[in-house]
Amino acid sequence: GENVEQHPSTLSVQEGDSAVIKCTYSDSASNYFPWYKQELGKRPQLIIDIRSNVGEKKDQRIAVTLNKTAKHFSLHITETQPEDSAVYFCAASPTVGGADGLTFGKGTHLIIQP
Amino acid sequence: NAGVMQNPRHLVRRRGQEARLRCSPMKGHSHVYWYRQLPEEGLKFMVYLQKENIIDESGMPKERFSAEFPKEGPSILRIQQVVRGDSAAYFCASSPPSRYEQYFGPGTRLTVT
Repeated sequence: GENVEQHPSTLSVQEGDSAVIKCTYSDSASNYFPWYKQELGKRPQLIIDIRSNVGEKKDQRIAVTLNKTAKHFSLHITETQPEDSAVYFCAASPTVGGADGLTFGKGTHLIIQP
Repeated sequence: NAGVMQNPRHLVRRRGQEARLRCSPMKGHSHVYWYRQLPEEGLKFMVYLQKENIIDESGMPKERFSAEFPKEGPSILRIQQVVRGDSAAYFCASSPPSRYEQYFGPGTRLTVT
């Protein structure tokens, strides 16, 4: 089955700086890669996703890049703000014939230092 | 449009009792997924259901766990004879037909004493 590795486990950046979180996956059949943000005690919230037919997607301060050959994808957050502090999870899914269960990384605890 | 609903939000059970967790998907969503999250860990996929059908239960333990999504009413995750190791947050997510995005509910935090 699919295995998703996520690094780093903790990331501390100064407010206003950029943050990058990286994930690798093992199953070449995976073609859908979402990112979720989870605040303490809250539900995971979908913040951005990418399908394997594109290499990059951007939404305001958030961008995701995908390298299918190397089987890795990354989340980039620019101009970080205190409200970006949370745990971020990457995930992968093969979506053959439609949506499928997601395999998640272990998460990155992002800390924005004022 | 109400989001994914789960109840109860908190559930305390003694060892050996049954736990029943409910999930109502977003309006228009016909796919439901259950995930388990242990403290300080990521989410683990358990089961994927559509109305009256289990599509993929590869992540669900073979014993004591079952799930259903009836034609009418919420999806139910049932855990029989709970043990301390079942203590976790259980999240359900839903997605609309022909789309990949999954939207999560607030979770049920199960504590087994």
